[in-house]
Parts: sequence; structure tokens; C-alpha cells
Amino acid sequence: QITLTQQAESLWVSPGEKVSITCRASQSLLYTDGKHYLSWYQQRPGQTTKALIYHASIRTDGVPTRFIGSGSGTEFTLSIEDVQPEDIALYYCLQTLKKPWTFGGGTKLELK
Amino acid sequence: EVQLQESGPGLVKPSQSLSLTCSVTGYSITSNYWGWIRKFPGNKMEWMGYISYSGSTSYNPSLKSRISITRDTSKNQFFLQLNSVTTEDTATYYCARRDNPYYFDYWGQGVMVTVSS
Repeated sequence: QITLTQQAESLWVSPGEKVSITCRASQSLLYTDGKHYLSWYQQRPGQTTKALIYHASIRTDGVPTRFIGSGSGTEFTLSIEDVQPEDIALYYCLQTLKKPWTFGGGTKLELK
Repeated sequence: EVQLQESGPGLVKPSQSLSLTCSVTGYSITSNYWGWIRKFPGNKMEWMGYISYSGSTSYNPSLKSRISITRDTSKNQFFLQLNSVTTEDTATYYCARRDNPYYFDYWGQGVMVTVSS
């Protein structure tokens, strides 16, 4: 199965800063259609899990433009520019290229 | 608006079966794919399986012998059954809709299930 590694379990950030969360795959997530099957999710206590990004770089409806997905092949990044207090959450990457679909271990964004 | 809500017992004894229901409003489960995902203590997430718009299923091989996902289209609900549970199955269980670009766009709040005698 494809392993996704989110190196940082926790990242500390101050409001207004930029932060990057990385996700590394054990094999390329590029399919023959030219798309990467990598998505990003946000989990905040008391709220439903929110999909932020799919196909590595496409924001889902309503997601603020400060959330930016990038990367290709096996290396992917979720960047949050101008971090807001409501961005403090747990973030996961997920690959849906090959079953079993697998998640990264999660990165917790915390306030300095 | 699409909404999903998990329900089921919060405590299951070892060796018994875990049964959960996902009730969907705002969208028919005869479209798209409907999955179960769980989050273990310590935050590891695992995709468990899904049931498709046609009723076909796909399961994580790590669970294949123990898991069953079924549905009741008349009630717009789908179900998870996990047999022979152990304490390792203690987790928060989520149901979610998988959209065509292959990501989970709507999630339930999750239900915490503890396996303990």
C-alpha cells in the first residue's frame, strides 16, 4: 500500500505567519489522466472534517485563498498564508490513487 | 445541504460486533460513493471501505474478513458492521461522501466507539 508521511506531528505558528505542512508519498500519486490523487483535510474540535484541497492543488468550494496546495509526484505541501486563529487544527493528507486509500499521520497546527 | 450523521453504541465488548448507521440528508445515497473512516487514539486515520451508488462495496484488505457495509436506500442510510472487535478497534468512526474527483467532501461528526469488557 502507499504510505503517506507527514514529517511534522506538530507545528507552532503565530497569527499572520505562513506555515507549510508537507506530505510525502512512498510512490508517485500521478495518474495517467495527469492528475495527482492527493487531498488535504482540516479537523477542528466540535466541527465536521473539512476538505480543503483535492488533486493536490484545487481548493474546494468556500476554502479561503490563503490555503494553497502544491507539489507533484511524491512530495506535496499545504501552505497556509497569513494564519488565522481559526486555522488551528489537525491537518491530514489522503491518497486515493490506489486502494487501500491511505492517510498521512496528521500534523497539528498550534499557536506559539 | 448534504449532511451525514453517525449513530450507534458507544461501547462494545471484545469479540462482539460493532454496528453503526450513517443517516444522510440532502442527497441520495444512490449517487456517489459512501465511506467509513476511523481515527484511532493518537490520531492515526484509516479508510475502512465504501459502498457505491449501485450497492457495490470495496474494503480495506486489513479489515476484509471482518467488515461489511450495507445500505437501506428507502431510509437513505448506510451501515457499518465490524465483527470480532478487539480493543484495537477503539476509535472515532466517521462516515463520509466521496465525490467524483476522488476526495471526501462531506463528513459526519464522528462517533466514538470504545471496545472494552
